[in-house]
Amino acid sequence: EMYLEGSGGGSVQPGGTLRVSCAASGFSISNYVMNWVRQAPGKGLEWVSTISVDGVITHYANSVKGRFTVSRDNSKDTLYLQMNSLRAEDTAIYYCTRYATSCSGDTCYRWFDPWGQGILVTVSS
Amino acid sequence: DIQMTQSPSSMSASVGDRVTITCRASQDISISLAWYQQKPGRAPKLLIYAASSLQSEVPSRFSGSGSGTDFSLTISSLQPEDFATYYCQQANSFPITFGQGTRLEIK
Repeated sequence: EMYLEGSGGGSVQPGGTLRVSCAASGFSISNYVMNWVRQAPGKGLEWVSTISVDGVITHYANSVKGRFTVSRDNSKDTLYLQMNSLRAEDTAIYYCTRYATSCSGDTCYRWFDPWGQGILVTVSS
Repeated sequence: DIQMTQSPSSMSASVGDRVTITCRASQDISISLAWYQQKPGRAPKLLIYAASSLQSEVPSRFSGSGSGTDFSLTISSLQPEDFATYYCQQANSFPITFGQGTRLEIK
């Protein structure tokens, strides 16, 4: 069974740093583009970041660009999110998730599956 | 950015009801749309991908339809375990965007 296990969450003061991790089992992340999605308390889902298979290409939401860095270690089947200059509005559950793709000819369709269980990050003084 | 707008934001229904949730994209996304179910305290779960393809092991009472800008998720006969929040998503263009969610409650 495919599984993503997150770790590294906790409470940090505004302006602080935190690194969260996501370890895969049941599949190798080396074959897949990976993502982070977050959900603030009582709110909807917000895409945060995406990283290519080789880690060279990354994408970020405007809300975290310049503060967060996504990375991966394919040899450890682990995805990371380094969060710097944290703000109260970064308080959320952070989910790691795999980018799934199906292509028909030149057209590809993408979605997220599976999802990790979530990592709670609290930014508060 | 592609905006995803769901309606309604919340609704109440009874076990056995047929329910439809709609999602509108701000521009043509072909069939690049997914639906997720989320229960309190749990991670989202994929239900439908490519607008109408049912994910493995998802009950057949769930179905998706639409293309271009207008999509829908239908639950043919609500079961107690279906009361949850549902999200649509486009994942083909960055930034990847989700609808605001539809909370489905028991009447």
